[in-house]
This record gives sequence, structure tokens and C-alpha cells, in this order.
Amino acid sequence: SAVISQKPSRDICQRGTSLTIQCQVDSQVTMMFWYRQQPGQSLTLIATANQGSEATYESGFVIDKFPISRPNLTFSTLTVSNMSPEDSSIYLCSVEDYGEKGGYTFGSGTRLTVV
Amino acid sequence: GQQVMQIPQYQHVQEGEDFTTYCNSSTTLSNIQWYKQRPGGHPVFLIQLVKSGEVKKQKRLTFQFGEAKKNSSLHITATQTTDVGTYFCAGIGWEYGNKLVFGAGTILRVKS
Repeated sequence: SAVISQKPSRDICQRGTSLTIQCQVDSQVTMMFWYRQQPGQSLTLIATANQGSEATYESGFVIDKFPISRPNLTFSTLTVSNMSPEDSSIYLCSVEDYGEKGGYTFGSGTRLTVV
Repeated sequence: GQQVMQIPQYQHVQEGEDFTTYCNSSTTLSNIQWYKQRPGGHPVFLIQLVKSGEVKKQKRLTFQFGEAKKNSSLHITATQTTDVGTYFCAGIGWEYGNKLVFGAGTILRVKS
């Protein structure tokens, strides 16, 4: 399966500022996925990042708030913009594993606290 | 609203007891996947079920996919303290835009 390096692992940020989260994959992948996991909750898909085109956002998430870059097939960033305490969550990137077993590999997550 | 329902929300068992979590989709799935998230960790893929009525085993874990491909279960026999964590089912279906949709998760605590 793929190996994903995600950083930062955690951060405490002031409201109104922005944080950029990075994910590096050890293999080339067509799509990368960004999820949010609010405290004690399940995972919600924010957007799908495709190389060479704009990210596709899920209902309730907009590009101005969560701009995504996908400069190549192994790297993506998610920015959380103009943060408020409601943005305090774990943010995770993910890629699909196309091997025999299937499934998705997740990065280790970024635990964001907005104060 | 939640498209993939999962129950129970929380289960606290004595070490050695069995544990089961159930997942139900509002629509037919092409496959269902199970993940485990340890406290403070990230989701880790356990297994994928694709066929109607499929049953797969991993040591003490047994996974089932319903005949209608709308429901699934994960059963752990003789729980151990290392089983502690949150277990998520996640389904992919045409009506979900072929994207992975997660259930709410079941938190398992094991008393030794």
C-alpha cells in the first residue's frame, strides 16, 4: 500500500489566520482525497484533488475556505483559510490503494486547534 | 443526513467477550470497507467486501456483507485490550457518487 507523509501533525492557530497542510505520497496517484474529522465524529469528505485540474468540492465546502493545490501526482496541499474555532478538527488526506486488497490509505492527520 | 448508519455508537466489553458492530446503507453498495482508528491515530484499512453474501475472516475478526449489499457487520471474538479503538464502516455506491461514505463509527472499550 501507499505511504503518506502528512504535516504538520498538529497546530494551534489564531482565529482569522490560515494553515496549509501538506501530503506527500510515495507513489503517483491520480486522485487524492481530503477529509475532516470533527472531535468525536466520523470522517467527512471535503474535496477530491486531481492533478492538472481544479479540485472537486463536496456540498458544504467551498474553494475560498479550503483551497487545494495538486502540483503533481505525489503531492497535495489543503489550506484552511480565515480560521474560526469551528474549524478545530483533524484533517486527513487519503489515496486509494489499487492493489489486490483494495481500500484507502490515510495520512497520519493534522490536529488543528483554533483559538 | 447520515447515509451509512452504524450501530452501536459505543460498546464497553469485558476482555474475552465478543463484540459486533453493524452497518446499514440506504442504497446498494458496490463494496464496503472497514477501518480501525486507535485513540489519537488515523483510520487504518482492515478489509474490503465486494460480493453479495461475502464473509471474510482475519484471525478473530469476521466480516460479512449482506445479500442485498446494503448491510455489513464486523464481529470480534474474544476481545483483547489491543482491540480498543473506533471501528468505521465505509461504503461506495453509485448513488453516493462512487465516493467513500463513512458510517458514524463504533467506539470499542475493553475492560481487562
